[in-house]
Amino acid sequence: EVQLLESGGGLVQPGGSLRLSCVASGFTFSSYTMSWVRQAPGKGLEWVSGIGTGGDTYFRDSVNGRFTISRDNSKSTLYLQMNSLRAEDTAVYYCAQVTGSGSYWWGQGTLVTVSS
Amino acid sequence: DIQMTQSPSSVSASVGDRVIITCRASQGIGSWLAWYQQKPGKAPKVLIFPASSLQSGVPSRFSGSGSGTDFTLTISSLQPEDFATYYCQQANSFPVTFGGGTKVEIK
Repeated sequence: EVQLLESGGGLVQPGGSLRLSCVASGFTFSSYTMSWVRQAPGKGLEWVSGIGTGGDTYFRDSVNGRFTISRDNSKSTLYLQMNSLRAEDTAVYYCAQVTGSGSYWWGQGTLVTVSS
Repeated sequence: DIQMTQSPSSVSASVGDRVIITCRASQGIGSWLAWYQQKPGKAPKVLIFPASSLQSGVPSRFSGSGSGTDFTLTISSLQPEDFATYYCQQANSFPVTFGGGTKVEIK
């Protein structure tokens, strides 16, 4: 059974930093492009960042230069380093496999709240 | 970026009704389209990917069609557990983009 388990969310002040982690199991993690998708309270889904199997990275414009995505295939773990956080970054962040062929999977999400 | 325009944004329907949701891409995406169902407080659940392939375990009352720029999700006979918000997503290229969502409410 495929599982994606996120952690690292919490309350942080504007301008602060947070690192999210996502531990994957049940599939060959190194073979898949992985993404982070977020959902602000009461809003729709918004893709944030992705990383390919070769380490190529992609970001939405609003987080480019502030967020970094990385992966450790030996630990089947995806990361999202978030710096210079803003109130508008407040959301549930999902680890997800939503590109390429085959099955698509989502974690249960971790809540990030940016507030003073 | 590929824009995904989903309609309607909400629909009120009764149990047993047929519901159709449409999604239009700003440029051709082949069949690289997924449909999701999301209930409050839960992660999205993939229903269909690619465009017309029902995922394992999803009831057959759900169906998807289309290719290129125009896609539809059809619920043939709405059941009580289907009241939720539905999203389309293009998986053709980065940045991945989603439709704005369709909330299916009880009439």
